[in-house]
Amino acid sequence: DSGVTQTPKHLITATGQRVTLRCSPRSGDLSVYWYQQSLDQGLQFLIQYYNGEERAKGNILERFSAQQFPDLHSELNLSSLELGDSALYFCASSVADGFGYEQYFGPGTRLTVT
Amino acid sequence: AQTVTQSQPEMSVQEAETVTLSCTYDTSESDYYLFWYKQPPSRQMILVIRQEAYKQQNATENRFSVNFQKAAKSFSLKISDSQLGDAAMYFCAYRSGNSGGSNYKLTFGKGTLLTVNP
Repeated sequence: DSGVTQTPKHLITATGQRVTLRCSPRSGDLSVYWYQQSLDQGLQFLIQYYNGEERAKGNILERFSAQQFPDLHSELNLSSLELGDSALYFCASSVADGFGYEQYFGPGTRLTVT
Repeated sequence: AQTVTQSQPEMSVQEAETVTLSCTYDTSESDYYLFWYKQPPSRQMILVIRQEAYKQQNATENRFSVNFQKAAKSFSLKISDSQLGDAAMYFCAYRSGNSGGSNYKLTFGKGTLLTVNP
């Protein structure tokens, strides 16, 4: 158990819908990262937050957004869902965003868009 | 942009034997970190081992060790005394050592599926 929690574990929804994925980082971790794992693209970085502020963006679609709240939990919002958004979404956390801090991954949320 | 290549989509090993998984990467940076993550059927991503580029000594963690060849940009993972529980997808990952921007993200290879035969 990494100490990072993600809810829900599984999510099945229809095209065009909007969903919210939730992540609670390890106690004391300030940085949260979101990754998408799909068969086509592999594991890709989406976005990073540090202590409530957006720090970096990767291959995140405009239909996707995220935020980190004062209690440091983070939410990833996916809207106007398409079949191709079906994937495993991971949240990872680290103590800080400086050198050498390992990222510890949550169990992931499996999103299926039908 | 950095890239990570794992040329072996699948590997198999007999229980108690040793197996080596390959990883190469491309970067123009001199400071960076390399990682191996394990993803068993549960899909949980588990950190196996990490290597700092500035360290010449290869990292080891119990039965897991790496062969880091900086000039060749190679970072292989050796698993000794393989166990059934080692069966998983293994991902090699790169992280920049520079600060700021998106430098803290992990860039992953496509993975190697390891099967352990009893």
